[in-house]
Amino acid sequence: SQQGEEDPQALSIQEGENATMNCSYKTSINNLQWYRQNSGRGLVHLILIRSNEREKHSGRLRVTLDTSKKSSSLLITASRAADTASYFCATDGTGRRALTFGSGTRLQVQP
Amino acid sequence: SQTIHQWPATLVQPVGSPLSLECTVEGTSNPNLYWYRQAAGRGLQLLFYSVGIGQISSEVPQNLSASRPQDRQFILSSKKLLLSDSGFYLCAWSRGRLDTGELFFGEGSRLTVL
Repeated sequence: SQQGEEDPQALSIQEGENATMNCSYKTSINNLQWYRQNSGRGLVHLILIRSNEREKHSGRLRVTLDTSKKSSSLLITASRAADTASYFCATDGTGRRALTFGSGTRLQVQP
Repeated sequence: SQTIHQWPATLVQPVGSPLSLECTVEGTSNPNLYWYRQAAGRGLQLLFYSVGIGQISSEVPQNLSASRPQDRQFILSSKKLLLSDSGFYLCAWSRGRLDTGELFFGEGSRLTVL
């Protein structure tokens, strides 16, 4: 079953704008990860945030985590056409034996 | 550096035919290995994972099986494919604990069952 669910399912923005994607999950976690997938390719790890962290940055990426709301957000600032991809959150958790992925957000950045 | 290879990249198979997808990892030892399936426009469904040679855990009862004959080789098989087996199959590996490590994915194998 899906643990993380992303919102929105699809997002279309203009180059230079910021893109925000949200992830909600159901059970307690140790960490949450975000991955990117270009069409027809494998997933690439972007960033990991631990349950005791509230915010993390990596280049143009900013991830927040609110464990009380069981939600996370991924912000891509100053988007580029090359950011066009699907973005997935993945969660672990007590008793879960491998990462569980959400259904993803398809981001389209128009040049 | 570590690399992961999957093959074949694409295949079209008739219903009832067998399947074998292979995945190998280079540059690391004793990795955790995973098979995920992705339906069109959907998220990833965990199928199998393995922490060592001959150790396979199945997450979803289905028409598929997995084997790990060598430390860095993971094989996904089926004796008789169903239409519902169509999808994008992704192999991945990680270090350390199963549920906390970063996953490194292969480029995927797209299976179409007709």
